[in-house]
Amino acid sequence: NAGVMQNPRHLVRRRGQEARLRCSPMKGHSHVYWYRQLPEEGLKFMVYLQKENIIDESGMPKERFSAEFPKEGPSILRIQQVVRGDSAAYFCASSLSGQGARGRNIQYFGAGTRLSVL
Amino acid sequence: AQSVTQLGSHVSVSEGALVLLRCNYSSSVPPYLFWYVQYPNQGLQLLLKYTTGATLVKGINGFEAEFKKSETSFHLTKPSAHMSDAAEYFCAVSDSGGGADGLTFGKGTHLIIQP
Repeated sequence: NAGVMQNPRHLVRRRGQEARLRCSPMKGHSHVYWYRQLPEEGLKFMVYLQKENIIDESGMPKERFSAEFPKEGPSILRIQQVVRGDSAAYFCASSLSGQGARGRNIQYFGAGTRLSVL
Repeated sequence: AQSVTQLGSHVSVSEGALVLLRCNYSSSVPPYLFWYVQYPNQGLQLLLKYTTGATLVKGINGFEAEFKKSETSFHLTKPSAHMSDAAEYFCAVSDSGGGADGLTFGKGTHLIIQP
């Protein structure tokens, strides 16, 4: 029973390029969350998605960042025109259900994608 | 707004000694509380969670935590440290059980185990 799968594990981009990070949730999970971890910091919530819907993007930077979770395929976090400050570890988590399903919506995390911007 | 404070970015204990990692939170509603562990270059693994009911929660690997509402605390303990416990530990809070609004994390505590 595979857990949350993220790829690539490491991604190197030059300033101005685009970064695409992928996340396949655990089997049966339809809720996906993206977090960013800067060095020496905890994880910061970015966005919460269900299939084909963005539910909460309150933690997402207003420009250059976008996320999707299509009906088929993995969730994608896209960063356009990357800058050095985007260098971080990006974690995806998935849960069986979302708000209101107390006790069942534990978030399971992937191993992360470490983005380095040169 | 929720927040989490973890006292001590680094905690060092001897193998076999008591582990105590501190976590204080603020939340406008009854919180759901979590402890996660992160080993080097890996994702976060849930250690334990508090939702409702018994305030002393037991988790994996011998860890436990106690929810103290009066102190707004959720400290993590383990009676006897093992070398394999060396890792980064994150306390997190949610007011929806970790669902729609996402989790709010502390900055983490790096646990060092001395032989």
